[in-house]
Amino acid sequence: QVTLKESGPGILQPSQTLSLTCTFSGFSLSTYGMGVGWIRQPSGKGLEWLANIWWDDDKYYNPSLKNRLTISKDTSNNQAFLKITNVDTADTATYYCAREIAALDYWGQGVMVTVSS
Amino acid sequence: DVVMTQTPVSLSVSLGNQASISCRSSQSLLHSDGNTYLSWYLQKPGQSPQLLIYLASNRFSGVSNRFSGSGSGTDFTLKISRVEPEDLGVYYCFQHTHLPLTFGSGTKLEIK
Repeated sequence: QVTLKESGPGILQPSQTLSLTCTFSGFSLSTYGMGVGWIRQPSGKGLEWLANIWWDDDKYYNPSLKNRLTISKDTSNNQAFLKITNVDTADTATYYCAREIAALDYWGQGVMVTVSS
Repeated sequence: DVVMTQTPVSLSVSLGNQASISCRSSQSLLHSDGNTYLSWYLQKPGQSPQLLIYLASNRFSGVSNRFSGSGSGTDFTLKISRVEPEDLGVYYCFQHTHLPLTFGSGTKLEIK
């Protein structure tokens, strides 16, 4: 059974760094063809893809976030991470991680992040 | 970036009728590996998105056969036959052929 769960700070201040963790089970990020993606959704709005990381440590980012993103993984502990530097109120959203093979087939429940002074 | 244009923005359908959602991409989604990386998701109220269709026309495990995907190149359609109450929510198309990966803006399905 594939499950994913996101965790994060809940609230942080502008200019801080947002650190998110995706803890998963039921698959391994060392398996050929496996990936994990991060997606976010401001309240009441649509979905935005942020980044993904693959079994071979290939990483891809959405350039709209202008080099503020860093994605990484800990294969031994079945975790993937996303850091967003220099956050702003526009980064307030629910952040999801999802397993990616031919699609984003399993999603976590999401974690709400609020950026506020 | 590949722009994914979904229509209509909202859709009101009577129970038992068919619903159809269109998704058009600004570039062909045919990948050099021969696959078309277009998928469809349903986000029910208060829930995470869930995968319905992958590779344009393949139904994901456990998804009702009332859902079907079709299309190629730049033009794709999701059809929902015999709409049921649990089908309400927002439907998104998503392309992962070209970087950055992009979603459509969503289609809200309401039940009449």
